[in-house]
This record gives sequence, C-alpha cells and structure tokens, in this order.
Amino acid sequence: DIVMTQSPDSLAVSLGERATINCKSSQSVLYSSNKKNYLAWYHQKPGHPPRLLISWASTRESGVPDRFSGSGSGTDFTLTISSLQAEDVAVYYCQQYYSTPRTFGQGTKVEIK
Amino acid sequence: QVQLQESGPGLVKPSGTLSLTCAVSGGSISSNKWWTWVRQAPGKGLEWIGEIYNGGDTNYSPSLKSRVTMSVDKSKNQFSLKLISVTAADTAVYYCARVKVDTSCYDLWGQGTLVTVSS
Repeated sequence: DIVMTQSPDSLAVSLGERATINCKSSQSVLYSSNKKNYLAWYHQKPGHPPRLLISWASTRESGVPDRFSGSGSGTDFTLTISSLQAEDVAVYYCQQYYSTPRTFGQGTKVEIK
Repeated sequence: QVQLQESGPGLVKPSGTLSLTCAVSGGSISSNKWWTWVRQAPGKGLEWIGEIYNGGDTNYSPSLKSRVTMSVDKSKNQFSLKLISVTAADTAVYYCARVKVDTSCYDLWGQGTLVTVSS
C-alpha cells in the first residue's frame, strides 16, 4: 500500500494569510507514460462529505476558488491557500489514486488564528 | 444534476451484516464507469473500502476484502455495499461517491450515513 503522510496535523493561520499543507507518499505517484501525478486534494467541513478541490496534483476542479493551488511531483506535494478565508476552515486530505488500495493522508486541520 | 443518497440501517449488531445502498438520481448510473465507498470512523480520517465498475468489476481494500461485497443494480439506478461479520471497529459514517471520469478521485459524494455497530 502507498502510505500518505501529511504535515502538519493542524495549523492556525490569520485571515488573508497563506496556508501551506504538505503531503508525502511512500512511493512515487507519477506515472511515467503520461507524466501525470495521481494525487488529489479534498477538504471536509464539519458534518459534510469531502469536496474534491484538485486532481492530477495541480488541476483545480470547476468552481474551486483560485486561491487554492496544488504543486509537487513524484512523492512530495503541497496544497497552498494563498489568502485564507473564513470559509476555508476545514480538514484537508490528500489522496493517491496511482494504485489500489486508494489511500488518504491522515488529514490536516486548518483553523483561523 | 446528479445526486447520491446512501440508505440503510443505522444500527447493526456485532457479527451481523451491514448493508447500504447508494441511489443515483438526476442521471444514469451507466453514465459513469466507476463508483466507490469510503468510510470515516468518528473523529478519524477517510478510509477507502473499494470501488465498483458499472459492469460489475470490483476492487476492494485488502484489509476488508474478505468481508466486503459491492454490487450494481442498473434497473434501480443504484449500487450497494455489504459488509459481513461487523464489529465495533466498523462503526463509521459511510459515504458513496462517484469516481471522476479518467481518474480515480471522487468528484461527487453522498451526504453519508452513520452506521453504529452495537448490541
């Protein structure tokens, strides 16, 4: 199984400031034939299901604000919220879909400082 | 637009069978290739249970494979999850979700249903 490890477990950021979440996979999720990273980001607000934010490590879903961006390749990935808004308070998860079983990171809780 | 809704008993006895259905509304289940189940124990992270192709092929989590069965009923526009020999460790919110086309990430989720395993 590919183990996904996120850091930090939680972070508190002031409104309007940048939030950065890291995700590391135990093996590469970069598929050599198509040069795509099989990595997604979600957030989950209390009492709600997860919402897909980014696929292919850096492709934002339709309707996702452009303050959310994903980067990285291979085994190291980052989700950046460029200017934190109150509605961004949530738990954020990375997920690899390179192989089965699909696996998620343990989650990073983002709060307002 | 397409919506997903989980349904099933909220309470299952230990050693019993957990059975859930995910109804697809606003579109045909055949319009998407793969569908999945994910669960979340109280206060914990997301755990992938498995996925099913609308033609019936499945992939299951190795940790649950011996106890899990997924199926699709195209006539009812729904897919299902069965988990046998449940214990308290299977207490969780169970989500069904749609696998995004040409990926294996999940772009549409049901609201989730809490299943408690208790006598």
